Amino acid sequence: DIQMTQSPASLSASLGETVSIECLASEDIYSYLAWYQQKPGKSPQLLIYAANRLQDGVPSRFSGSGSGTQYSLKISGMQPEDEGDYFCLQGSKFPPTFGGGTKLELK
Amino acid sequence: EVQLQQSGAELVKPGASVKLSCKTSGYTFSNYYMSWLKQMPGQNIEWIGNIYGGNGGTGYNQKFKGKATLTVDKSSSTAYMDLSSLTSEDSAVYFCARGGSYFDYWGQGVMVTVSS
Repeated sequence: DIQMTQSPASLSASLGETVSIECLASEDIYSYLAWYQQKPGKSPQLLIYAANRLQDGVPSRFSGSGSGTQYSLKISGMQPEDEGDYFCLQGSKFPPTFGGGTKLELK
Repeated sequence: EVQLQQSGAELVKPGASVKLSCKTSGYTFSNYYMSWLKQMPGQNIEWIGNIYGGNGGTGYNQKFKGKATLTVDKSSSTAYMDLSSLTSEDSAVYFCARGGSYFDYWGQGVMVTVSS
């Protein structure tokens, strides 16, 4: 299975700060990478798919980039509602596998 | 509006089985895959398998073969997952999610607790 190593495990950001979360795949995943946000007791919400495509309805302060084995999620201007857990997912090869998650808090 | 409504929380005894449901609305069920995923506290989300709404064709994560069985009822646009021979390691929140390898809509999740 493809291993997804996500960093950092936790992060604290001030209002308006730009935040970056990284995912490193154990092999090339050809941009088959998605990012999710999950709030406590809720299901994950799709933010980004195909590495850099913004899901409908997701604020434009979220963006994704990367290729090959390295990918990142950027939040340009932290907002209170952005607190939560963030996961990456590779869909290049079965089984799909997730990163370990990043807990983002407002400082 | 796409909706995936999962059945309620389950408390089951070790060795027993449980059947979870995921009733969908707002889209053409037979045109999409439905996946099932497992989330345990402090661990990575795991993909269990998927099933195509059109013909019931399935694909499983090797780790969950023999543990999970996926079925669909096209007439009610509902997906099901049977979990068998339950142990404490099966205690988790289980999600259904639309898609084969990317998941754009998710159910609310159902907590399964295995305890005597």
